[in-house]
Amino acid sequence: DQQVKQNSPSLSVQEGRISILNCDYTNSMFDYFLWYKKYPAEGPTFLISISSIKDKNEDGRFTVFLNKSAKHLSLHIVPSQPGDSAVYFCAASGSNNNDMRFGAGTRLTVKP
Amino acid sequence: DVKVTQSSRYLVKRTGEKVFLECVQDMDHENMFWYRQDPGLGLRLIYFSYDVKMKEKGDIPEGYSVSREKKERFSLILESASTNQTSMYLCASRAGGYGYTFGSGTRLTVV
Repeated sequence: DQQVKQNSPSLSVQEGRISILNCDYTNSMFDYFLWYKKYPAEGPTFLISISSIKDKNEDGRFTVFLNKSAKHLSLHIVPSQPGDSAVYFCAASGSNNNDMRFGAGTRLTVKP
Repeated sequence: DVKVTQSSRYLVKRTGEKVFLECVQDMDHENMFWYRQDPGLGLRLIYFSYDVKMKEKGDIPEGYSVSREKKERFSLILESASTNQTSMYLCASRAGGYGYTFGSGTRLTVV
């Protein structure tokens, strides 16, 4: 039973436009949410995170939004660049933090 | 620069073989993890360890075991490899906080 779901396996956007990646979770005990980025032949690298006490966190071109009532979070990339093309994983963890769960990933392609 | 190193990038093994996947971190992290990544399923937690000689099962431990004799090294063992264990295996570690550092992965093919 997947507790973290990314329902869009792929997304394609034009360079300079906004990319919006979505993620849903089912476990109300999760209190910390993260996005990881993965290039082929490399391990995932941490991108941005948000705790459950916030509804928005921004870092440069990347913003994560959290809607706790809907158990939904999203990652916005503005403006998108070709170098952003990668697989993005949504992850969630409880206070224990040894129970981090990942979504299936969304492959983002940014076209020049 | 901090690193998690997985000893092999690619492995091909035969069904029934005993397989060892090695992971070493140089950050003095207490916690280490083994995930497998499969298309459409994302990363699934196999086992984790929060201290030397300590281990906990993740979501899919069947067919796997682990060993952590030293703090920096966490080994994943496939006791008798099967074709459904063909996958990308990712090791990660963390200290405090929520950030995991991942290795580059080992792509294992069982034939």
